[in-house]
Amino acid sequence: TQLLEQSPQFLSIQEGENLTVYCNSSSVFSSLQWYRQEPGEGPVLLVTVVTGGEVKKLKRLTFQFGDARKDSSLHITAAQPGDTGLYLCAGDNSGNTPLVFGKGTRLSVIA
Amino acid sequence: DTGVSQDPRHKITKRGQNVTFRCDPISEHNRLYWYRQTLGQGPEFLTYFQNEAQLEKSRLLSDRFSAERPKGSFSTLEIQRTEQGDSAMYLCASSLDGGRSYGYTFGSGTRLTVV
Repeated sequence: TQLLEQSPQFLSIQEGENLTVYCNSSSVFSSLQWYRQEPGEGPVLLVTVVTGGEVKKLKRLTFQFGDARKDSSLHITAAQPGDTGLYLCAGDNSGNTPLVFGKGTRLSVIA
Repeated sequence: DTGVSQDPRHKITKRGQNVTFRCDPISEHNRLYWYRQTLGQGPEFLTYFQNEAQLEKSRLLSDRFSAERPKGSFSTLEIQRTEQGDSAMYLCASSLDGGRSYGYTFGSGTRLTVV
């Protein structure tokens, strides 16, 4: 069974601070996806990273896929209260198997 | 198309009762997935369909759970003889070609409480 470990589990920061959350596995994935989930709603896709070493930017969010395609990180610059939510990483093995999700990092940004 | 719809949003049932949830995916998507999420956890895979064929079921899925996707459109998830441990958020998602390019589109979920 492929597992994705996310850290930290919880993070509470002040508005304007920077932060990084991690997604690690002992398995190789063909791609990793990051989702954000708000209370009472389903996860919403933020980004997909496919190539080892790939870096993608989405406004203040920077996503990186590890060279060996076993890990990924999400860096948020100048966090805002609207960034509050549960950040989930999900691994895709081939497109023919369902996504495997980590337990998520619950982020709270305080104004 | 307004995205993935799930009905009902909330369900409270007594232990031992049967419940059925419905999911309407994005019409162009050929794959439909069911996941379960409990507090503090990420979504756990239950089962998925490609068109009307059920391709995979998790070992977590007991024989009290059954899912259908007649005609490859909407899907239903039934839980028979509910137990308190079934209390969770049940999420439905759909995708085009496994979600590799565009990811999964999730519904807002059905929150089940078994009392």
